[in-house]
Amino acid sequence: DFVMTQSPDSLAVSLGERATINCKSSQSVFYSSNNKNYLAWYQQKPGQPPKLVIYWASTRVSGVPDRFSGSGSGTDFTLTISSLRAEDVAVYYCQQYYRTPPTFGQGTKVEIK
Amino acid sequence: QIHLVQSGGEVKKPGASVRVSCKASGYSFTSYSINWVRQAPGQGLEWVGWLSPYNGNTKYAQNFAGRVTMTTDTSTDTVYMEVRSLRSDDTAVYFCAREASMSRGVIGVVDTFDFWGQGTLVTVSS
Repeated sequence: DFVMTQSPDSLAVSLGERATINCKSSQSVFYSSNNKNYLAWYQQKPGQPPKLVIYWASTRVSGVPDRFSGSGSGTDFTLTISSLRAEDVAVYYCQQYYRTPPTFGQGTKVEIK
Repeated sequence: QIHLVQSGGEVKKPGASVRVSCKASGYSFTSYSINWVRQAPGQGLEWVGWLSPYNGNTKYAQNFAGRVTMTTDTSTDTVYMEVRSLRSDDTAVYFCAREASMSRGVIGVVDTFDFWGQGTLVTVSS
């Protein structure tokens, strides 16, 4: 199985500042035949199910604010919140969907400093 | 509007079985596969398995093979997950989640999950 490792486990960021979360896959999730990285990011707030925010490593889901961006390729990926707002407090998970079983990172908790 | 509505919380004793339902609405039920993902208290997300309402194909995580069965009732647009021989470490919130892309039920094809149920807490305790 693909092992997804996120860093850090938690981070505290001041309102309006940048938050950066890293995700490393044990194997490449890049599929050369379509030039796509099979990597998604989810946001989960307390008591709620996860919400898909980014897919194909860098494509925002419709309605997701543009302060959220994804980057990276192969095995190393980053989710960036460019200017943190109070409503962004959540746990963020990366997920690979390159191969079954789909696997998630352990999560990164984002809080306000 | 697309909704996945799950059945209510359950409390079970070790060794018992539990069945959780997930009723879909707002889209063509047989066109999208459903996955089950669980989350133990304070922990991360763990994939349990996949079912295609199109053809009934299933794929289960190795950790659950032999203990879990997923079925579908296309007359009511509902997916079911049964877990048998429950253990205390099965205590978790179980989510159903729809795959983002239309599917013809090919086993082994993975996708992202764009709509989720509200979650069902299954508590296993003696």
